[in-house]
Amino acid sequence: DAGVTQSPTHLIKTRGQQVTLRCSPKSGHDTVSWYQQALGQGPQFIFQYYEEEERQRGNFPDRFSGHQFPNYSSELNVNALLLGDSALYLCASSRVAADYEQYFGPGTRLTVT
Amino acid sequence: GQQVMQIPQYQHVQEGEDFTTYCNSSTTLSNIQWYKQRPGGHPVFLIQLVKSGEVKKQKRLTFQFGEAKKNSSLHITATQTTDVGTYFCAGGMGYSTLTFGKGTMLLVSP
Repeated sequence: DAGVTQSPTHLIKTRGQQVTLRCSPKSGHDTVSWYQQALGQGPQFIFQYYEEEERQRGNFPDRFSGHQFPNYSSELNVNALLLGDSALYLCASSRVAADYEQYFGPGTRLTVT
Repeated sequence: GQQVMQIPQYQHVQEGEDFTTYCNSSTTLSNIQWYKQRPGGHPVFLIQLVKSGEVKKQKRLTFQFGEAKKNSSLHITATQTTDVGTYFCAGGMGYSTLTFGKGTMLLVSP
């Protein structure tokens, strides 16, 4: 049973560019949440997708957007990249009807230069 | 907005010593979860507490949820070098979204 997978593993972008990160949830999970983890910090909630809709959103600007597909996989898009967007981006999946345990993927390390 | 504070930020112990990390929320939580992140890794779920005053044990780890559901602790008895990592608490406020603390980094010297 595959866990949560994310791609790519690492990414280097230039300020002002746009990036798309991808996530496939654990089998049987229908909810995907995205987190940003800066170095030495805890993960910060970006948004959550369920039934292909953004259900909740954290305190992130509109430059951060997402999508969930019918197979429950998800994408995180970041436009107009800033140096401060450099971080580990984590995807976590869960079952909405379960007890909220979240399974995290290995993350995508984004570096903005 | 909801804030979750965790102390200490960092602790270095000798193998065999005990370790405790504390978590406090600015608001009442529906549940609290604990995660462990090894260096270079991703958070791995340890446990969830839901009930007021709940205590759960996993081998050498003891987790507590406060009576007011605003604080929690993780205690490790007789640490081992395999316990090295950062321990995060995460407060749940509905659905599956979590507010993470900044974590406590644990170093264990043999």
